[in-house]
Amino acid sequence: DSGVTQTPKHLITATGQRVTLRCSPRSGDLSVYWYQQSLDQGLQFLIQYYNGEERAKGNILERFSAQQFPDLHSELNLSSLELGDSALYFCASSVTNPVTDTQYFGPGTRLTVL
Amino acid sequence: GESVGLHLPTLSVQEGDNSIINCAYSNSASDYFIWYKQESGKGPQFIIDIRSNMDKRQGQRVTVLLNKTVKHLSLQIAATQPGDSAVYFCAENRSNDMRFGAGTRLTVKP
Repeated sequence: DSGVTQTPKHLITATGQRVTLRCSPRSGDLSVYWYQQSLDQGLQFLIQYYNGEERAKGNILERFSAQQFPDLHSELNLSSLELGDSALYFCASSVTNPVTDTQYFGPGTRLTVL
Repeated sequence: GESVGLHLPTLSVQEGDNSIINCAYSNSASDYFIWYKQESGKGPQFIIDIRSNMDKRQGQRVTVLLNKTVKHLSLQIAATQPGDSAVYFCAENRSNDMRFGAGTRLTVKP
C-alpha cells in the first residue's frame, strides 16, 4: 500500500459526459501528479500540482482539468468524454518535486467510456 | 525524436535466475531515472532510482546501472522469484517532466 488513495476504482460512462476522479496523497506529500495509462500510449504524464498550485503540465487535453485543494487532495476533471479517453488514470504524490523525491502511485481509476 | 524506450517488450526467466531489463534514453539532459514495477490491476510501484552523477546503485536484490556514454539504463534482479512477475517501466526526468518507457513484461517460470 503506497498510502495514495484514489476513488472511484472503476467508472463507466457515456461519450460526451463529464467525470471527476479524486486523489488523496500520502500524508506529508505536497505534490500530486496525474497520469493516464492506455494500451497504445503507455504511461503519460498529465499534470502536477504542488501545494495547491499548478507546477508542470504534460500531455493534458484542454477538455481535462485538475486542481489541488487546501487539504492537498486533488481532483481530475474529464469533460466531453470520447471513446479514446478510456484508460487507467493514476495519481502519484511526492514530498516536493520529481527531481529529488520519489513518486508513489495510487491504485488507479479505470475509466470506460461507452 | 527524443524518447524513452525499452529494448524488449517481454522477458521470460527461470525462477532463481538473474533478470536484466534494459532501457534506452536519448536526452542527455535527463538527470534522474527511476524503475517502477507494475503488477496486474495495481499502480506502478517504485523500485529504485539513480541520479545522473552515479553509475550504479544497489537495493535489495535489485541493481540499476546507468551508462551515460550510450544513454542506457538497466535493471538487474537477482535470484528472480515468481513474485517478480510484472511489467517494469523505466522513467526519466527532463526539466520536471517525467517520461515513461512502454514497459517490459517479466514472466518468471517455476
